[in-house]
Formats: sequence, structure tokens, C-alpha cells
Amino acid sequence: EVQLVESGGGLVQPGGSLRLSCAASGFTFSSYWMTWVRQAPGKGLEWVANIKQDGSEKYYVDSMKGRFTISRDNAKNSLYLQMNSLRAEDTAVYYCTRSFQSGNSDFGYWGQGTLVTVSS
Amino acid sequence: QSALTQPASVSGSPGQSITISCTGTSSDVGNYNLVSWYQQHPGKAPKLMIYEGSKRPSGVSNRFSGSKSGNTASLTISGLQAEDEADYYCCSYVGSDNFVFGGGTKLTVL
Repeated sequence: EVQLVESGGGLVQPGGSLRLSCAASGFTFSSYWMTWVRQAPGKGLEWVANIKQDGSEKYYVDSMKGRFTISRDNAKNSLYLQMNSLRAEDTAVYYCTRSFQSGNSDFGYWGQGTLVTVSS
Repeated sequence: QSALTQPASVSGSPGQSITISCTGTSSDVGNYNLVSWYQQHPGKAPKLMIYEGSKRPSGVSNRFSGSKSGNTASLTISGLQAEDEADYYCCSYVGSDNFVFGGGTKLTVL
């Protein structure tokens, strides 16, 4: 069974940093694109960033380029999101997702999400 | 990249069929056959319902179907059931391994 478990969320002050982690199990982690998707309270879904199977390619939504860094450790079956210079508008539940198949076309499996609150 | 356009809400009675539209542009929905649809119940993580425009993952009811015409993708739910009441989001590949979601549609089963 595919399992994705996020951690690392919490309360952080504006301008601060946070590192989210996602522990994957139940599948061959190194065979799939991985993606972070976020959802602000009461709002819709927003694609944040994704990373290729071997970590050689990374893509970000424009508003987060330069502030967020996605990475993965295939030996540890883990996905990460380093978030710097956080703003109030980054407050959201952050979901770790896996593509349904080995390509990069959708978000087939989701974790339960971790809440990031940016506030003073 | 602008968000895809979905109706804020749709409703239907049990047993009826409803369709949720997802309008993009010739740069996203119209250019790729890579629209996916997600169902989200309150307080839960989204669930993939349709991928690559019209394919259903195993375990998803065949009451859910996806299609596309031009720059607009659609999700149709037939034989509406109470448990279908949820938020639905479309998502399209937009090139360069980037994606964009729609604003979401709240489905109410009357």
C-alpha cells in the first residue's frame, strides 16, 4: 500500500524558514516523480514544485522560485521542501504527492498533509 | 500561469447526472491530453478520480467520466449519490513539467 507521511509543519514567523519532510513507503520511491501541492485555509489547491525520479530536474511555481527548494533522498525514501523567507500567504496545508504512473502527469497518491502557519 | 476556470458550485439530486467544466487555454487544456480531476471531502486529502483526461484509476466508480473539447475539460458524474458531495478540482499540465489547478467546484447533492 502506498503511504506518504508528511512532517515538519508548524508555526513560524514571517521571514523564517521551515523544512518539510515526506516519508514514502509501499512503492519503489526512486521510480516516481514527486510533487508538493498546497492548500491555503478555505482555498483551492496550488501546485508548488516537483522533482524527477533521480532529482536531476526540479520545477517550481513562479511565486516560489528562489524561496522554496524541493529535494529527495532516494536512499531514505524521502521527499523534502525547504521553505525560506516565509510570508503570511504561505500559510497552508502542504501535501506530498506521487504521480499515478512513472510519468509526470498527475497526482495519484496524497499524504494527509502538514499545516504550515506563518504568523507573528 | 492563470488558474483554470471552474464553476464555484453545482448541484443535483440523487440519481441525476451533473457535469463540471474546467476551462483553460490553448496553452494548457487545449494543448495537452493531461487533465486530471480530484475529489476532496472536508478535512481530507484530495483523491485522484480521472487522469490523462478520461482514464479512471482502479477503484474509482465508473459513474465518473472525463472528456475534453477544445480548451474545456469536463467531469461527468452519473447516478449521483450522497457520498459524491465534495469539492472537485481539475488540473492541467502546462508544459515544462509545470501544472495548474482550477479554482474548485463544490458539488451539493440535494
